[in-house]
Amino acid sequence: EAGVTQSPTHLIKTRGQQATLRCSPISGHTSVYWYQQALGLGLQFLLWYDEGEERNRGNFPPRFSGRQFPNYSSELNVNALELEDSALYLCASSLPGVGRRAQYFGPGTRLTVL
Amino acid sequence: DQQVKQNSPSLSVQEGRISILNCDYTNSMFDYFLWYKKYPAEGPTFLISISSIKDKNEDGRFTVFLNKSAKHLSLHIVPSQPGDSAVYFCAASERGSGANNLFFGTGTRLTVIP
Repeated sequence: EAGVTQSPTHLIKTRGQQATLRCSPISGHTSVYWYQQALGLGLQFLLWYDEGEERNRGNFPPRFSGRQFPNYSSELNVNALELEDSALYLCASSLPGVGRRAQYFGPGTRLTVL
Repeated sequence: DQQVKQNSPSLSVQEGRISILNCDYTNSMFDYFLWYKKYPAEGPTFLISISSIKDKNEDGRFTVFLNKSAKHLSLHIVPSQPGDSAVYFCAASERGSGANNLFFGTGTRLTVIP
């Protein structure tokens, strides 16, 4: 069974541009999560989507947004890129339902902002 | 404010011996705890979890212990193998609805010496 996939693997942008990152969950998983791992830091929760709706949001500015499509894949959009947005962005998916569900991660997208 | 803490950035262990990775948390609302392993250039891989109604969960060479009164959990790997060399992240989630996001520690780099 295919795991969580993410594209692109690497993305290089300049300050002020927009970045779009994509994620496909494991088949049967309806929840998708986005995390940011900046250099030297642990994973920081960004967004949680389930059944097409945003369910929860971490402590990030509104220029971080996303959506979930009917096939449960998801996009993360980062507008007005800043240098400190350079990080590894990880997507995870889990089975439906609230609480006590292991999340399974993709390989990540390395975003570099110049 | 880091709600999940891994105070040892690194740990070295001889092959065949026990590896003990530690994690502390501050949020008393956490009721589900997970350990992930991460190799370079890959996303975190789910290892083992424990809910707050238990104090021990075992899966093969991996055992997680939870001490709720001390707000502490640990991962034991016995026997340690060179392939276990990776960064290990502790994670936790809160009880209640709408709180599927995970809070991660900053990771411990385990090196198993052959």
